[in-house]
Amino acid sequence: GEDVEQSLFLSVREGDSSVINCTYTDSSSTYLYWYKQEPGAGLQLLTYIFSNMDMKQDQRLTVLLNKKDKHLSLRIADTQTGDSAIYFCAESDYSGGGADGLTFGKGTHLIIQP
Amino acid sequence: DTEVTQTPKHLVMGMTNKKSLKCEQHMGHRAMYWYKQKAKKPPELMFVYSYEKLSINESVPSRFSPECPNSSLLNLHLHALQPEDSALYLCASSQVGQETQYFGPGTRLLVL
Repeated sequence: GEDVEQSLFLSVREGDSSVINCTYTDSSSTYLYWYKQEPGAGLQLLTYIFSNMDMKQDQRLTVLLNKKDKHLSLRIADTQTGDSAIYFCAESDYSGGGADGLTFGKGTHLIIQP
Repeated sequence: DTEVTQTPKHLVMGMTNKKSLKCEQHMGHRAMYWYKQKAKKPPELMFVYSYEKLSINESVPSRFSPECPNSSLLNLHLHALQPEDSALYLCASSQVGQETQYFGPGTRLLVL
């Protein structure tokens, strides 16, 4: 079955870049997503990348996709205290036939040191 | 507008109670989803509705009963729940054919 793996914790200093990594096993993954969840809150869509792309940039966020290695990363430039949250990598293998659910990684808890 | 709303925000219920969770979106999305998230775990898919019809049921116990009365609303009816059903219940919506799902803030459920 589908599997998405992430490291559980990442600690960075305020102002540095954060890089959160994710690996997935489903070679038919069509879309790959990054969601942010703050304590007690729902999931906020940060960005997504289609499987035929290898990079996407959106302001402080850069997503890199290595489809050969099934590796996805999220880089947050100039990390701020407000970036402290759990970041979930998720994938879908939507093939055009209808709606499908997302498979999530366990989430990476980003800790910001002052 | 990418807002999905959920009510109530918090719910405490006994094992013999019947309650309902509600979800609403006005983005014109025709796919809606229920996920369950236990503490310190990722969300797990429960149900998918596509064009108001149930298309995926991830072997969820019958004490959870989903309903999609129209394209903007999604309900989850709860009956005879167990304490282990305590969790954050998240609703999401998307276009059918575009899997970018937008999530609501969730309903935090406690079953006593």
